Parts: sequence; C-alpha cells; structure tokens
Amino acid sequence: GESVGLHLPTLSVQEGDNSIINCAYSNSASDYFIWYKQESGKGPQFIIDIRSNMDKRQGQRVTVLLNKTVKHLSLQIAATQPGDSAVYFCAENTSRVGLVFGQGTRLTINP
Amino acid sequence: NAGVMQNPRHLVRRRGQEARLRCSPMKGHSHVYWYRQLPEEGLKFMVYLQKENIIDESGMPKERFSAEFPKEGPSILRIQQVVRGDSAAYFCASSPDSSRPQHFGDGTRLSIL
Repeated sequence: GESVGLHLPTLSVQEGDNSIINCAYSNSASDYFIWYKQESGKGPQFIIDIRSNMDKRQGQRVTVLLNKTVKHLSLQIAATQPGDSAVYFCAENTSRVGLVFGQGTRLTINP
Repeated sequence: NAGVMQNPRHLVRRRGQEARLRCSPMKGHSHVYWYRQLPEEGLKFMVYLQKENIIDESGMPKERFSAEFPKEGPSILRIQQVVRGDSAAYFCASSPDSSRPQHFGDGTRLSIL
C-alpha cells in the first residue's frame, strides 16, 4: 500500500546552522507533496509544497527538493532559529484518500 | 481570516458514551478532512467530505464512527460507544478543492476514562 516514511526520527542542530530533513515515499504515481510543521499541542502548519513537475521549490528560509527517480523528498531549513523546533512531517497528497503522512522528524535547535 | 476551528479542544468521555467533535472550515473552503493522531505518530486519514456528501471514508472504522458536513453548520465527527482505544488527537483540515493544500485546525484531544 501507499506509505510515506522518514529516515531519521530526531535531528539536533545548532542555532544558525542549516538543517535537512529527509523523506522517502513509495507511490511513484504521487504528484503532489507537502511539508508540515507541528508544534506541541497544535495542528500541522503548512510550510511548503511541491508538484512532481518540479525538482526544487524555495520559500522563506526553506527549500524543498524532490527526486522522483529515487522517490525522495527533503526539506532544507536555512539559518535555523529556536522557533523552528518542532516535528516535521512530509505528506503525500492523494485526492482520493487524503494526505498520507510520514512518521515525523523531531527537530531540536540547540542554543 | 479565521483558520480552521475545532471544538472542543479537549474532551473526556467514559467508556460507552458518545463523543462529538466539531470542525468549522476556513471561509471559502468546501472540502473537509478528518485525521487521527496517536502520540509520536503521523496523522492517519479517516474521512473526506464535501458539503452534504461523503467522498471517501476508507480510513474510518465501519462501526461506531460517522461523519457529516451539512449544508449549514460545522462538520461533525461522531464516535458512539467510545472505548479506550479511541483516545487520540483528532484533527480536521479544509481546502478549497482537493488539489490545494489542506489547512489544519489545532485538534480535539479525546480522552476515554
């Protein structure tokens, strides 16, 4: 069946450094991917999305890379700040069954 | 522009009682999705609704669970005869259409005593 997974469950980086969060997906037919940030006690917050006709998309301090050949997605956060500490989920959008979420990566920013 | 509103934020029920969770989508959004999240896990899709219609309920248990999105008013996720295993955070999301990003509420945390 469809599944979206993450390589690392936890990631710690120094404040100011860049961080990279990785995600693998299994459905080669998927054409739309989203990164969400979830802080404790809150719902997932949309960060950035990318469609399969693109390899890269940039936002404010964030970049998403999509490698369809190996079915891999990554989120790069530049110059991390304490407020970036959260759990990050990649999600695969299927219009039929809704979003398929990965397990999540907990990002901790060390001062 | 208000985001997705869910209430209550916390709900405590005893085994056998009914739980009703409400979700008001963002203004202009006619697509609603319900998800369930266990601690330290990702969200799991339950049901997808448009106004007055259930489009996909493949992730929702066949028994005890139901969902609706009436023409007027919020979407309701209803769990009858709750059991301990129903304890979880339930999130609602909305979007203008199925190809656009879903925006989430802050969830209802359901605890079963």
